[in-house]
Parts: sequence; C-alpha cells; structure tokens
Amino acid sequence: ETGVTQSPTHLIKTRGQQVTLRCSSQSGHNTVSWYQQALGQGPQFIFQYYREEENGRGNFPPRFSGLQFPNYSSELNVNALELDDSALYLCASSPKTGDGYTFGSGTRLTVV
Amino acid sequence: GENVEQHPSTLSVQEGDSAVIKCTYSDSASNYFPWYKQELGKRPQLIIDIRSNVGEKKDQRIAVTLNKTAKHFSLHITETQPEDSAVYFCAASLGGMTYKYIFGTGTRLKVLA
Repeated sequence: ETGVTQSPTHLIKTRGQQVTLRCSSQSGHNTVSWYQQALGQGPQFIFQYYREEENGRGNFPPRFSGLQFPNYSSELNVNALELDDSALYLCASSPKTGDGYTFGSGTRLTVV
Repeated sequence: GENVEQHPSTLSVQEGDSAVIKCTYSDSASNYFPWYKQELGKRPQLIIDIRSNVGEKKDQRIAVTLNKTAKHFSLHITETQPEDSAVYFCAASLGGMTYKYIFGTGTRLKVLA
C-alpha cells in the first residue's frame, strides 16, 4: 500500500510569483483535500476534490485553485503569492468523502 | 463562524501518568471527530476517531469520549510513554459535510521520563 506523496518538500518563492504543489493520493483513495498549516497552528481547510470535481472550499481567496486528475492525483496552485502564504501545505486523501484522512508529509512554502 | 477550541495548549506529564486533552465544537451538526498526532517535522497521523452515534471508543492506551449535548470530546492517553510526546490536534466535521474538518489549535504533549 502506497502512502500520500507530495512534491516538492520545500520551496522558496518571491512575493507575486505563482506556485504549483503536487500530491499523489494513497492507492484506492479517490478524495483529496488540501490544508494550509501555519507555524504553531492547526491545519486550515483549503478545498477538497472528489472524482475530479471541487467538493467544498474553505475561506481562501480565488488565487488558491486546484485540480484533480483521473488517477486521483492533485495539484494546488497559488497565484500572486503573498508573504502570509508561507506555511506547510498538506495534502490528505481518503477512500470516500468524510472518512479519516491520510496526510502527506507536506510542502513547506516560504514566500520572501 | 464554526470553530473548535482545544485545551490545554501545552501539557507535561510524568511517564506512566495519564493525559487528557479536551475540545469543544460549535456546530451541533458535526458528526465525525478525528484526532491526529503530529511529531516535529512530520505529517499529522490519525490516531483515533469517533462518530456522533457513539459515546466512547478505545484503542489500547488511547480513548476518546464524546458528549454531544455539551459539544465536548476528549482524548485520553493512559500509561504515557516518551514516544507519546507530540502535538495532538482534534478536529470536527463541519455539519453534515464530513469532508471538511475544522481543526483545533493543537496541544503540545511532553512526557517526562
């Protein structure tokens, strides 16, 4: 059984740039959720994808967007990066919408 | 908006003692409550969960209790060990939409040898 893998593990970007983060879900899981975890805080829900469709969104601006592919892997895109976007971005997959997630190791994004 | 409050923010216990972490949620329609353990620099890992039709669930040294009336749920760790040291997060599903979890702010547990 493979786990959830994310790439890259670390990333440094300049304010105003765009970034794409990638996630491969655990085998057999068709639902992918993305979370932002600021230092010392709990994860904050960004959005979820189920069968390639967005299936719910948290309080994040439209410059945060995503995709899910037929193999259930997913991307998180952030445009016009701001300093406050610096955080650990976690991808989580589950076998169906709602059950406990399996998290990836995350991508640590630093915006300078 | 909906939120989950978690207490305490830090907790130190002697090895072998019990630890209790408490959470309160605001959305009365929440029906799924997972707990995650996050070690420094690592991913959150699901350690136990409970659904709203159950009042208590136990898995070896870990148990979770749920009081729907009071909107409280708690994590209990007995016979703590140094490897239990980590940050623990509670979460609650948002209403009937179990896909979205609201996380607490975390409890840093230190088990002193």
